[in-house]
Amino acid sequence: GAVVSQHPSRVICKSGTSVKIECRSLDFQATTMFWYRQFPKKSLMLMATSNEGSKATYEQGVEKDKFLINHASLTLSTLTVTSAHPEDSSFYICSARLQGLVFGSGTRLTVV
Amino acid sequence: LAKTTQPISMDSYEGQEVNITCSHNNIATNDYITWYQQFPSQGPRFIIQGYKTKVTNEVASLFIPADRKSSTLSLPRVSLSDTAVYYCLVGLLYNFNKFYFGSGTKLNVKP
Repeated sequence: GAVVSQHPSRVICKSGTSVKIECRSLDFQATTMFWYRQFPKKSLMLMATSNEGSKATYEQGVEKDKFLINHASLTLSTLTVTSAHPEDSSFYICSARLQGLVFGSGTRLTVV
Repeated sequence: LAKTTQPISMDSYEGQEVNITCSHNNIATNDYITWYQQFPSQGPRFIIQGYKTKVTNEVASLFIPADRKSSTLSLPRVSLSDTAVYYCLVGLLYNFNKFYFGSGTKLNVKP
């Protein structure tokens, strides 16, 4: 079946640094990808919609300058958390549209 | 966008059939209903998808009444490994559409 590969699965970074998370559709083209954030024991919160070749659309309350999204090809979208702070620590999940959604395995970000 | 409502949690025992219902009163004509399963620290995994009546695959059945304002995910003979959070999502399959998650249902399967 369709697979979305997300890397890294976990990352620890220092406050003030930037972290890039990659999301790849392995066997299909994804013109639209979604980025979600999930806090412990909570549901997934949509952060932004990533469209190939155009700017991402951010949900209300999501800082576009902090969470940079790039969707430069039909198989790759990246989320860069810039100048990370401890409150950015969370579980980030990407998904690609294919008759619904196909999800990546998630990235556990810890900012120390 | 159709909002979904599910029970926060459910308990069951191994071997039982579990039915999880999702309400989506303002579902649109062309919306599909999709159920996902999520284990801790993993991305959601597709379970089943349907538009109307009944759909069955190797792991679950999905029952959708004629008015489509709700749907029921049926898991036959659950095991401990079915302990997870289950989400129903409603939306168009192909056109541009955002997918918002509801609270999901935490299923606890006991021995």
